Amino acid sequence: NAGVTQTPKFQVLKTGQSMTLQCAQDMNHNSMYWYRQDPGMGLRLIYYSASEGTTDKGEVPNGYNVSRLNKREFSLRLESAAPSQTSVYFCASSEGGWNKYNQPQHFGDGTRLSIL
Amino acid sequence: GEDVEQSLFLSVREGDSSVINCTYTDSSSTYLYWYKQEPGAGLQLLTYIFSNMDMKQDQRLTVLLNKKDKHLSLRIADTQTGDSAIYFCAEINFGNEKLTFGTGTRLTIIP
Repeated sequence: NAGVTQTPKFQVLKTGQSMTLQCAQDMNHNSMYWYRQDPGMGLRLIYYSASEGTTDKGEVPNGYNVSRLNKREFSLRLESAAPSQTSVYFCASSEGGWNKYNQPQHFGDGTRLSIL
Repeated sequence: GEDVEQSLFLSVREGDSSVINCTYTDSSSTYLYWYKQEPGAGLQLLTYIFSNMDMKQDQRLTVLLNKKDKHLSLRIADTQTGDSAIYFCAEINFGNEKLTFGTGTRLTIIP
């Protein structure tokens, strides 16, 4: 059971470089999410996608873009990386739907990103 | 806006009970969750409680909810070394698919 798969697991970038974090889920979930985790701040939502073809901003979207490529895949792009974007990034998915808010979110193992 | 608060650290002796506390501000919260994060891993759902419930028990885990005080707690009975992790409280409300997470409580087990 793969669940939610994130690639890469680790990455070091220089300031100004760009990169795309990949996420795929095999649970046929409608909703997908990108979070960042910083020490002492919990998880903060960057972007989410309630269904294929839709994306919405979360709490901290600046400096990021997302693409919901299909139902399985949701990518996060850093166009011009900055040291403040050094963090651990988590992708999650859930059944979704307005009456399914009780469905838990399933998380990937994270991408540890360092910007020098 | 929603806000969820937790203490950052908790140390407990092996075999004792651990109680991790969480407070939230959104009175329209519907579901409240506890997630566990082990080192180098993602978050794993432990348990959740609906806002019209006061208590939920699942093996060694007991969740208590005080809606009046907007206080949620997770009790782990007979704490074991494998319980060492960061525990996150999270809440969600009607019509909103976005979870709001607390800062996480790092539980350390003392042998």
